[in-house]
Amino acid sequence: DTGVSQNPRHKITKRGQNVTFRCDPISEHNRLYWYRQTLGQGPEFLTYFQNEAQLEKSRLLSDRFSAERPKGSFSTLEIQRTEQGDSAMYLCASSHYSGPGELFFGEGSRLTVL
Amino acid sequence: SQQGEEDPQALSIQEGENATMNCSYKTSINNLQWYRQNSGRGLVHLILIRSNEREKHSGRLRVTLDTSKKSSSLLITASRAADTASYFCATDADKLIFGTGTRLQVFP
Repeated sequence: DTGVSQNPRHKITKRGQNVTFRCDPISEHNRLYWYRQTLGQGPEFLTYFQNEAQLEKSRLLSDRFSAERPKGSFSTLEIQRTEQGDSAMYLCASSHYSGPGELFFGEGSRLTVL
Repeated sequence: SQQGEEDPQALSIQEGENATMNCSYKTSINNLQWYRQNSGRGLVHLILIRSNEREKHSGRLRVTLDTSKKSSSLLITASRAADTASYFCATDADKLIFGTGTRLQVFP
């Protein structure tokens, strides 16, 4: 399967713990996006990369959130000192650099913070 | 923040009926896209309409765009139970900004 892959699909953690999500985009895609989605809402933009460069971060993204795409391939999203309000679905998407054009989404990583 | 708002928030219809969803947005756009999301899954791209286009068709989907009113509509004709999902419009600059979605329920 050459689609966007996200791991883990589900994560339950206690408040204050750190969590990391991984996204493997479609291999020839230059752009990679992270979104957060809470129940009943649309996806909310967090950040995006073009190759390894992080081009934009949402001002809603607190300092506890950090994302990397070290070799321009897979990306990680880390949340430090999780809070209950971080509970959400974290969606990754990729696209060709002509952008953004059509986004190809993974199935998401659902985070539950107890 | 969300650029678009879909209307209605929820829609229930019978199989065979048409479903119309509307999207309003706030700023100038290059393109507008529609996506579908089944419960608990990722989003799937349906159709893209450019700012210089007024209407576009894809199978049972018809999308219109009125840039003067900053609005778009998605029409699904002859709906099926499998069309049950949430539908989102998204507008772009360097990244897509999604609306709040319309939850469509199609009853067999």
